[in-house]
Amino acid sequence: DGGITQSPKYLFRKEGQNVTLSCEQNLNHDAMYWYRQDPGQGLRLIYYSQIVNDFQKGDIAEGYSVSREKKESFPLTVTSAQKNPTAFYLCASSTTGQGSNQPQHFGDGTRLSIL
Amino acid sequence: SQQGEEDPQALSIQEGENATMNCSYKTSINNLQWYRQNSGRGLVHLILIRSNEREKHSGRLRVTLDTSKKSSSLLITASRAADTASYFCATGARPGSNDYKLSFGAGTTVTVRA
Repeated sequence: DGGITQSPKYLFRKEGQNVTLSCEQNLNHDAMYWYRQDPGQGLRLIYYSQIVNDFQKGDIAEGYSVSREKKESFPLTVTSAQKNPTAFYLCASSTTGQGSNQPQHFGDGTRLSIL
Repeated sequence: SQQGEEDPQALSIQEGENATMNCSYKTSINNLQWYRQNSGRGLVHLILIRSNEREKHSGRLRVTLDTSKKSSSLLITASRAADTASYFCATGARPGSNDYKLSFGAGTTVTVRA
């Protein structure tokens, strides 16, 4: 079955610690995205990548970093500079190249909490 | 920036009734998309309506788009308990752009009572 896998499902971060959230897709999609969702709110874009070895900041990139070394993988690191990291993190992917926004496929999220 | 805004924020209906929610946006769009999110899960794409379309159906879902008013509506007919979820509209870049990111609204939470 094609899809997006996010791991872990739950993650706890200690003060001053960096943590990395995994996102893997086998849909052969060029574009991948990271969103943050706070309780009762919509999705805010952290980073996105439309091609391997390239990525752009979204609306709330401060305190986060990403890499895109492989088409299938787009890990997100929540650094110690992110002072309020407690949230639900969603990864998504989509095709590109058709000149308009394509449907995004989402993983089931990682819930990050502070210890 | 969040371009789409849904209304109402929350909706509670009886099973079998219809549910209608609206989305307003600010700038020209290629298309508008609707997604569903069950509690604690990722979003699932429901329907995409292009800027040159006025209405689209998929099963019990009906979406309308009025580009002159920059608004869209999602109608769920004959609701079921399984329709209980949050619903989000999403809009993308202006026509002709090569930017594929989407902007999501804050969502409408729908509760279907048995």
